[in-house]
Amino acid sequence: NAGVTQTPKFQVLKTGQSMTLQCAQDMNHEYMSWYRQDPGMGLRLIHYSVGAGITDQGEVPNGYNVSRSTTEDFPLRLLSAAPSQTSVYFCASSFDGKQFFGPGTRLTVL
Amino acid sequence: GENVEQHPSTLSVQEGDSAVIKCTYSDSASNYFPWYKQELGKRPQLIIDIRSNVGEKKDQRIAVTLNKTAKHFSLHITETQPEDSAVYFCAASINNNDMRFGAGTRLTVKP
Repeated sequence: NAGVTQTPKFQVLKTGQSMTLQCAQDMNHEYMSWYRQDPGMGLRLIHYSVGAGITDQGEVPNGYNVSRSTTEDFPLRLLSAAPSQTSVYFCASSFDGKQFFGPGTRLTVL
Repeated sequence: GENVEQHPSTLSVQEGDSAVIKCTYSDSASNYFPWYKQELGKRPQLIIDIRSNVGEKKDQRIAVTLNKTAKHFSLHITETQPEDSAVYFCAASINNNDMRFGAGTRLTVKP
């Protein structure tokens, strides 16, 4: 039982590049979400999903896309990376509101 | 959307003292209030939560209180230990969806 896994752990991009952050969970949770964490700003919700085929925007969705084709996977896509997207990204799955976070991806955009 | 404010941003206590962290929320429909602890370089982990039909919940040295009328909730840690040093986040959500977090409190427990 791996819980929530994220890849990669670290990534450096150049402005304008695109990439996908991967997130997977093996707990059969319906609800999954993506957060970014910046110093002094806590965790801000980017997108979330209440089940396969259903996604919704959170607090800071601009510049990010998500899809949820299976219960297990919830990838986050950066379409055209900008320096403002430099952050630590956490994926989470939840049951009854209790969130289980992945280990995070530290992304730097130059 | 929901807005959660958390105070203080930093808190330093002596080992054995109590620590209190306070949060306010804006949406009266919010009904689930968890607290997370994040150690340096680690992922956030749930330490305690409370729902709107309960006023107080306790788990060993940790307790959370909720005042729905005033729209605020607090985390209380008694008999603090150095291993309690971390960043603590409060959060609020409606029916477990669209969870919004406070900005965090960095707690330092001095031995």
